[in-house]
Amino acid sequence: GAVVSQHPSWVICKSGTSVKIECRSLDFQATTMFWYRQFPKQSLMLMATSNEGSKATYEQGVEKDKFLINHASLTLSTLTVTSAHPEDSSFYICSARDPLRELGDYGYTFGSGTRLTVV
Amino acid sequence: RKEVEQDPGPFNVPEGATVAFNCTYSNSASQSFFWYRQDCRKEPKLLMSVYSSGNEDGRFTAQLNRASQYISLLIRDSKLSDSATYLCVAGEYGNKLVFGAGTILRVKS
Repeated sequence: GAVVSQHPSWVICKSGTSVKIECRSLDFQATTMFWYRQFPKQSLMLMATSNEGSKATYEQGVEKDKFLINHASLTLSTLTVTSAHPEDSSFYICSARDPLRELGDYGYTFGSGTRLTVV
Repeated sequence: RKEVEQDPGPFNVPEGATVAFNCTYSNSASQSFFWYRQDCRKEPKLLMSVYSSGNEDGRFTAQLNRASQYISLLIRDSKLSDSATYLCVAGEYGNKLVFGAGTILRVKS
């Protein structure tokens, strides 16, 4: 149980274009999903918390107008990188937790990640 | 100061060795703790949760010391397949996870 699907796995786009990444919880309803970014040899950094039916909560230093998050249903959150630039190239990962499973025992499940390369 | 600190390694060990990783966290209000494993260019996968009473899962033993804000992971009888980056993670209020930068383990035959 607790499977999170993320798509696409990788994408190459031109500078200035926008890229949408989808994150789906397949066998549970996730009222909250999390979006992380990981640069090479660095830790995962939380970008924002995606809340179903309301605005996302962004971490300090993350531009909300650049990284648009939409959580329109209990099983889907999307992250759109707008006007992408080479410095946005990174590994983007979403995560969610089945609220029916104890956090202490099961932690969070991660999507498989999206490797974005902006050229 | 990083919120969760780990020795980046790499730890290069032979098969069958016992290896220990340590981690410290700065937020005393952290509520839950985990070790995740991340393979190259892949997503993190939960290895085990960490409790003050300690917990063991096969060759893996995790321990939490809240007074020292210190977490450990012990791997016994290392296998080649254990080679990965091990992420120490603290869960904070609001279900926020804070990750360490990871410790690289390389097990060699």
